[in-house]
Amino acid sequence: RKEVEQDPGPFNVPEGATVAFNCTYSNSASQSFFWYRQDCRKEPKLLMSVYSSGNEDGRFTAQLNRASQYISLLIRDSKLSDSATYLCVVNMYTGGFKTIFGAGTRLFVKA
Amino acid sequence: DAMVIQNPRYQVTQFGKPVTLSCSQTLNHNVMYWYQQKSSQAPKLLFHYYDKDFNNEADTPDNFQSRRPNTSFCFLDIRSPGLGDAAMYLCATSMDRGPGQPQHFGDGTRLSIL
Repeated sequence: RKEVEQDPGPFNVPEGATVAFNCTYSNSASQSFFWYRQDCRKEPKLLMSVYSSGNEDGRFTAQLNRASQYISLLIRDSKLSDSATYLCVVNMYTGGFKTIFGAGTRLFVKA
Repeated sequence: DAMVIQNPRYQVTQFGKPVTLSCSQTLNHNVMYWYQQKSSQAPKLLFHYYDKDFNNEADTPDNFQSRRPNTSFCFLDIRSPGLGDAAMYLCATSMDRGPGQPQHFGDGTRLSIL
């Protein structure tokens, strides 16, 4: 089982749709959680950190469920510019620092 | 603007010919990371420096080495590149390794092997 798993998609949605991504992690020692977006042939860019209380940034909402070991990202009112790959990232301490990326979920937003 | 800068953006080398990729940062971050990312795959951490302390991932091949001569610069050396080493190499930094410390990425260097 992979340490960080995401639905690879792709998700194909029309503009204005609401779309949700989930990410599960296997190691309960995981401490920090992030969502990054990566455009084709570009570097990952931090979208938002994920906190236990949940957090929102405009159209984006991230939530963490430690008991079930998953995090989620909700995008409301999708824009064409939201088309990208969304990467779930987990930092953990297991005898040393470790950072693990999920394989990413591909999103296509169509007009 | 403070940033993470990787040079070159594109690098072509011959099979077996050593190559060095460079990364510099103006963020004054303590931690610098090197990742390898192949097409349609997640970035894979090769190693990281916490200040001068080098931390190698267990499955990073010996062919990959790194140097951090000072806080601002970090280099990735590939001693004998093979065809399987063609990939995007990403450098990232973070202030620390503690909880809630996001990583900031450079634009990457795309490495091709002839």
